[in-house]
Amino acid sequence: NAGVTQTPKFRILKIGQSMTLQCTQDMNHNYMYWYRQDPGMGLKLIYYSVGAGITDKGEVPNGYNVSRSTTEDFPLRLELAAPSQTSVYFCASSDLTSGGNNEQFFGPGTRLTVL
Amino acid sequence: DAKTTQPNSMESNEEEPVHLPCNHSTISGTDYIHWYRQLPSQGPEYVIHGLTSNVNNRMASLAIAEDRKSSTLILHRATLRDAAVYYCILRDVAGNQFYFGTGTSLTVIP
Repeated sequence: NAGVTQTPKFRILKIGQSMTLQCTQDMNHNYMYWYRQDPGMGLKLIYYSVGAGITDKGEVPNGYNVSRSTTEDFPLRLELAAPSQTSVYFCASSDLTSGGNNEQFFGPGTRLTVL
Repeated sequence: DAKTTQPNSMESNEEEPVHLPCNHSTISGTDYIHWYRQLPSQGPEYVIHGLTSNVNNRMASLAIAEDRKSSTLILHRATLRDAAVYYCILRDVAGNQFYFGTGTSLTVIP
């Protein structure tokens, strides 16, 4: 299994441009997540999905959109990029198991710079 | 979700045990305690989780206070590969969100 894959690894955007960060998982997990991590900080949840066709906002959703048309894919869309969106973006997936574990498997991240 | 408090940084000598503390005084009865770690330039990875009883796995042990207001992640013999940021996270059994704090940056000294 490849696990969780993210593309691209790096991207530089100009202010006002748009882009889509891709995330794919091959573990047949129902749950998928997008986080951002600013320098020296912990991860903050942007959006999550509990299954195809279902998405919900996390802690910091403004400026982002998501869709979940398949179990495998969970793209994150940035519209009108702003310097405040400069960050490392992590995608994760999980499935609830007995015992309360919702172990999340993370991708390698996308480093985005908005200039 | 309840918040957690961890020291910003800790140091340990290689091959010695490491005790990473976490305070979660507002924990509710249905919150699970999760620990993740993040190696440099990587995404976080699962370490261990528990509810009330102490837990052991191949990576670490988790000691949970009787009142559940604090917990300690124990690495039995620190190696250089254990140098990472360790996050203590509370998650309600019905919730889908993890709240990562700023974690504890562990330095392992050879």
